[in-house]
Amino acid sequence: GAGVSQSPSNKVTEKGKDVELRCDPISGHTALYWYRQSLGQGLEFLIYFQGNSAPDKSGLPSDRFSAERTGGSVSTLTIQRTQQEDSAVYLCASSLNRDSNQPQHFGDGTRLSIL
Amino acid sequence: GQQVMQIPQYQHVQEGEDFTTYCNSSTTLSNIQWYKQRPGGHPVFLIQLVKSGEVKKQKRLTFQFGETKKNSSLHITATQTTDVGTYFCAGSPRYNFNKFYFGSGTKLNVKP
Repeated sequence: GAGVSQSPSNKVTEKGKDVELRCDPISGHTALYWYRQSLGQGLEFLIYFQGNSAPDKSGLPSDRFSAERTGGSVSTLTIQRTQQEDSAVYLCASSLNRDSNQPQHFGDGTRLSIL
Repeated sequence: GQQVMQIPQYQHVQEGEDFTTYCNSSTTLSNIQWYKQRPGGHPVFLIQLVKSGEVKKQKRLTFQFGETKKNSSLHITATQTTDVGTYFCAGSPRYNFNKFYFGSGTKLNVKP
């Protein structure tokens, strides 16, 4: 597609449920990033993929969070047993590659609300 | 904890006044990028600085990367209402390319 696509755009779920967030990067972009942004706050780096590999997963807030990327394209961020503090906008970005620090292109995000 | 801090957190200016936001990292960065996020929108890339002491200009915007590569600034001359938004600096620590930190952001409001 023309830009980074994220789905769903909004997700409301009950505490304790699992959620899966999806990111479709720009075609041909090998680097993919996940961030979390709470209302009025900055972006919290979660994880980055180069191809299908995530070299460092220490940015994930807890072991309830996991992410994967398949085929060097679509990525999913899964949150298990959601808690109210997980409520935020989850942003995905992609760039042409990581080595040359290309600019990141962001999707519109998934607004996650945990009741 | 927060690796990259920005000041001020908020700035309200009258249209036509200048604006500056400062970015400070606790570690040396490999490069610095600047993004703008309009209210309700997502961050949009503005520019990247790579070299120590580098200065780049985009029309009314001037970006600077510090000599130590631990700080940066964005200066807007003669602000316009279209400049409203939150400005973020971002970069990777020099010795950990697998992370990418965004600054805390400076929210700019321009009064017409």
